[in-house]
Amino acid sequence: GDSVTQTEGLVTLTEGLPVMLNCTYQTIYSNPFLFWYVQHLNESPRLLLKSFTDNKRTEHQGFHATLHKSSSSFHLQKSSAQLSDSALYYCALSEVNNRIFFGDGTQLVVKP
Amino acid sequence: NSKVIQTPRYLVKGQGQKAKMRCIPEKGHPVVFWYQQNKNNEFKFLINFQNQEVLQQIDMTEKRFSAECPSNSPCSLEIQSSEAGDSALYLCASSLRTGWDTQYFGPGTRLLVL
Repeated sequence: GDSVTQTEGLVTLTEGLPVMLNCTYQTIYSNPFLFWYVQHLNESPRLLLKSFTDNKRTEHQGFHATLHKSSSSFHLQKSSAQLSDSALYYCALSEVNNRIFFGDGTQLVVKP
Repeated sequence: NSKVIQTPRYLVKGQGQKAKMRCIPEKGHPVVFWYQQNKNNEFKFLINFQNQEVLQQIDMTEKRFSAECPSNSPCSLEIQSSEAGDSALYLCASSLRTGWDTQYFGPGTRLLVL
């Protein structure tokens, strides 16, 4: 069945350094939709960005990700971390007319 | 900003008691999802609806939970006999369609089973 793997449970880095959160997925479908949701403390998750186009970079709020079907990956990146980026980040997978499969989440902690 | 409404925000029940929570999806969103987020922040899909019909649900939901999305009434999720392991944040989300469309989450109902 479909699944999403986020290898890091916790990422801690210093403000100003680049961010990369890993996401790989498994699916039998050839046209998956990939998402990144962000959840700040005591808030509900909200969409950060999404993509279904192979090898096309998607950007939002300084974050970007590129879906690579060849490696089944959708890593989240940002060039320079800010303190306000500290949050839980979930990678998720869906197919049309199907439910969304969430990864286990990566806690990002940005320190001054 | 999400306009999904969930009530109550907090719910405390004893083991064996029923626990019921409600969700009003965003206006015009026919698809509703329920998730359980545990203390380790792991998401577990429970069930989803399109209008009043169940699209998918997991085995646990089928056995111990009852859920519905009646027309012109809030959706609801009820645990028939609460267990300590059910203590979690229950998130409702709505979208226009399944698949590609963004899911908009409510604030959640935090259930504590004593």
